Amino acid sequence: GESVGLHLPTLSVQEGDNSIINCAYSNSASDYFIWYKQESGKGPQFIIDIRSNMDKRQGQRVTVLLNKTVKHLSLQIAATQPGDSAVYFCAETNNAGNMLTFGGGTRLMVKP
Amino acid sequence: DTEVTQTPKHLVMGMTNKKSLKCEQHMGHRAMYWYKQKAKKPPELMFVYSYEKLSINESVPSRFSPECPNSSLLNLHLHALQPEDSALYLCASSPQIMNTEAFFGQGTRLTVV
Repeated sequence: GESVGLHLPTLSVQEGDNSIINCAYSNSASDYFIWYKQESGKGPQFIIDIRSNMDKRQGQRVTVLLNKTVKHLSLQIAATQPGDSAVYFCAETNNAGNMLTFGGGTRLMVKP
Repeated sequence: DTEVTQTPKHLVMGMTNKKSLKCEQHMGHRAMYWYKQKAKKPPELMFVYSYEKLSINESVPSRFSPECPNSSLLNLHLHALQPEDSALYLCASSPQIMNTEAFFGQGTRLTVV
């Protein structure tokens, strides 16, 4: 069963500010690391991925940073908007590259 | 069409019932997935199908039985479930099994009573 009172880590930011969401991963052999966004009542939605031989990748308003030394992944969102409010999950591929394992999520709340 | 459609959206079933969850995509994707998601937790992989064949079963109890009738459809047959099986069941698809970008449906909210 679920723990009573269990809650997601939450990041609260002002609209227009930049957001940084962090994730620690465990599998050093993962070939890809990915960020997904899940809005309330919806399934997860792909945001951006990064291959393990890179340390930075930029998309539209988003940047993913990978630090393999400390097994740390981060997602930066520029000029955060109310539509960015969601739970953000990091994910990694397994050694065979044929499945994704999701990490714990972070709830992003954007204040107008 | 970039959608994965799941039916029903909500399902309440008794522990002796048999029901099925359905998933459909028309993007030509050859990999399809079932995930289980409990509240405030990340999705957990249950099954992976590649070219209509079961590729991965993540040690899921036999009361969950997947089926892939064709390349567009994926079913999850449910029988003799327990209350702890109540969760959001998500279907996803991707062009191939190795793709990092999976397209998810909005899920079926299952309650076992």
